[in-house]
Amino acid sequence: GAVVSQHPSWVICKSGTSVKIECRSLDFQATTMFWYRQFPKQSLMLMATSNEGSKATYEQGVEKDKFLINHASLTLSTLTVTSAHPEDSSFYICSADVGDFRAFFGQGTRLTVV
Amino acid sequence: AQRVTQPEKLLSVFKGAPVELKCNYSYSGSPELFWYVQYSRQRLQLLLRHISRESIKGFTADLNKGETSFHLKKPFAQEEDSAMYYCARMIKAAGNKLTFGGGTRVLVKP
Repeated sequence: GAVVSQHPSWVICKSGTSVKIECRSLDFQATTMFWYRQFPKQSLMLMATSNEGSKATYEQGVEKDKFLINHASLTLSTLTVTSAHPEDSSFYICSADVGDFRAFFGQGTRLTVV
Repeated sequence: AQRVTQPEKLLSVFKGAPVELKCNYSYSGSPELFWYVQYSRQRLQLLLRHISRESIKGFTADLNKGETSFHLKKPFAQEEDSAMYYCARMIKAAGNKLTFGGGTRVLVKP
């Protein structure tokens, strides 16, 4: 099946700094990728839709200036958490469609802001 | 609000017993429904989707538009079925975004 890879798998950063998370489709091209956030013992909440070559579409309540998304190529989308605070600590997951409504997920990135 | 509801957070069954995970969705149109599974220390992966009408690992799910349900069933649970299961809905007109239910943890005891 299709493979989606996230990097890093975990990251610890200081409050006020920015951290970038990468999401790559390894063996297929993805014009659309999705970014989710998952709090402990909760479900996945869609944050934004990343569109190759155009602006991301953010879900209601998600700060676009805080969660910067760039989808510069057909195999890479990045999520940058800017000026991170402890409340941004979470598990971030990306996914990509292979074109027949099947979504493949990355392994997730655990962000801890101290 | 458009949502997907999984009423059970935890289902504990013995090996060989039937298991049914409930899922209800709210949408007036024709959504695409999916079940995703996450085994321990693994990423989320697709288990099955309603459009395929297939049985995967012994699991089946039937879309009932009248009851707006998409319950997942397996007649004889196995220990390796222990995992987190998420029901999800996709609306094509909304950019193929997935809306997930809260998830149900299945524990199959020996």
